[in-house]
Amino acid sequence: GENVEQHPSTLSVQEGDSAVIKCTYSDSASNYFPWYKQELGKRPQLIIDIRSNVGEKKDQRIAVTLNKTAKHFSLHITETQPEDSAVYFCAAKIAASKLTFGTGTRLQVTL
Amino acid sequence: NAGVTQTPKFQVLKTGQSMTLQCAQDMNHEYMSWYRQDPGMGLRLIHYSVGAGITDQGEVPNGYNVSRSTTEDFPLRLLSAAPSQTSVYFCASSYGREGYTFGSGTRLTVV
Repeated sequence: GENVEQHPSTLSVQEGDSAVIKCTYSDSASNYFPWYKQELGKRPQLIIDIRSNVGEKKDQRIAVTLNKTAKHFSLHITETQPEDSAVYFCAAKIAASKLTFGTGTRLQVTL
Repeated sequence: NAGVTQTPKFQVLKTGQSMTLQCAQDMNHEYMSWYRQDPGMGLRLIHYSVGAGITDQGEVPNGYNVSRSTTEDFPLRLLSAAPSQTSVYFCASSYGREGYTFGSGTRLTVV
């Protein structure tokens, strides 16, 4: 089955700096890659996603890139703010089947 | 739309007891899944369903049963609770190739 690895497990950045979280997946048939943000005690919330026919997608301060050849995808957050502090999960999905998650990155934005 | 509704929000069970975690969605989503979340382990798939009458095992299915008699409902049954099943359980649903929408979770403690 699909295996998703995520790095780093923790990330601390100063407010205003950029943050990058990286994931790799194992199954080349995966074609949908969402990113979720989970605040303490709350449910995961979808923040951005990318499909395999697209190399990059941006939504305000958040961007995701995908390298299908290397089976890598990354989340980029620019101009970080304290409210960006949370746990971020990447995931990979094959067509309409199950979604496999990475183990998460705890992002801390310090003042 | 209420989205994905999970009940109960909190539950304490004694070892060996059985119970059912309820999940309902009102978005006419085809796909539904159950995940458990443990510290440092990310979100691990227990069971999933691609439509009414169709279910399949995920990564950690042992000790759990599911059924999908309607599109809306996807209950998760713990057959004989064990302390290792202490976790936060999330139900999620999606339509086609979209990302999953998560319920608010059930925090289960087995003593």
